[in-house]
Amino acid sequence: SQKIEQNSEALNIQEGKTATLTCNYTNYSPAYLQWYRQDPGRGPVFLLLIRENEKEKRKERLKVTFDTTLKQSLFHITASQPADSATYLCALDARGETGTASKLTFGTGTRLQVTL
Amino acid sequence: DGGITQSPKYLFRKEGQNVTLSCEQNLNHDAMYWYRQDPGQGLRLIYYSQIVNDFQKGDIAEGYSVSREKKESFPLTVTSAQKNPTAFYLCASSIEFRWGTGGQKLFFGSGTQLSVL
Repeated sequence: SQKIEQNSEALNIQEGKTATLTCNYTNYSPAYLQWYRQDPGRGPVFLLLIRENEKEKRKERLKVTFDTTLKQSLFHITASQPADSATYLCALDARGETGTASKLTFGTGTRLQVTL
Repeated sequence: DGGITQSPKYLFRKEGQNVTLSCEQNLNHDAMYWYRQDPGQGLRLIYYSQIVNDFQKGDIAEGYSVSREKKESFPLTVTSAQKNPTAFYLCASSIEFRWGTGGQKLFFGSGTQLSVL
């Protein structure tokens, strides 16, 4: 079956360190992958999009990698700050193995807590 | 400021009652979407609309209905047939509908928390 897996446990890191969040998927062939940030009680906010033929994308302190062989995306926040504390969602735009129409499918998200 | 406005922020439904969640956007986007978010689960697609006067069912459309009479508006009705309606409902839009062909980021509203009395 198709799965998108993000660390369900919260990730706790110290301010100034690099946070690395993972998004693993099975039985998808994604055309591209997106990362969103969601604060409690709010809607997700788009952060980055990476296409299947791109290995890496950067935006300020954010970096996303996409390895279609490993079926994994890594999301890095360098020099993390308490304001980065939130839940981060990955989303795939992909057809399933049975060739059904593409749709954007979200993972469950990983909660990041940055402490002083 | 451009954006998506969802209302109300909190909504309570009585047994057997239909309720309607409002979603309005002033971004001039063609495509609009409704997602449901439950604790510990990813966002699940309820309905989407690629263009005005058109909409398609998502993964969990049973017990829900929508309309798209205006480009700016995409209201969601939670009917009495939806037996487990308690969830956080999110409306989103994108410039156009391009799933599988190029990628479009979604702009989300701030959500409506629906609970059952």
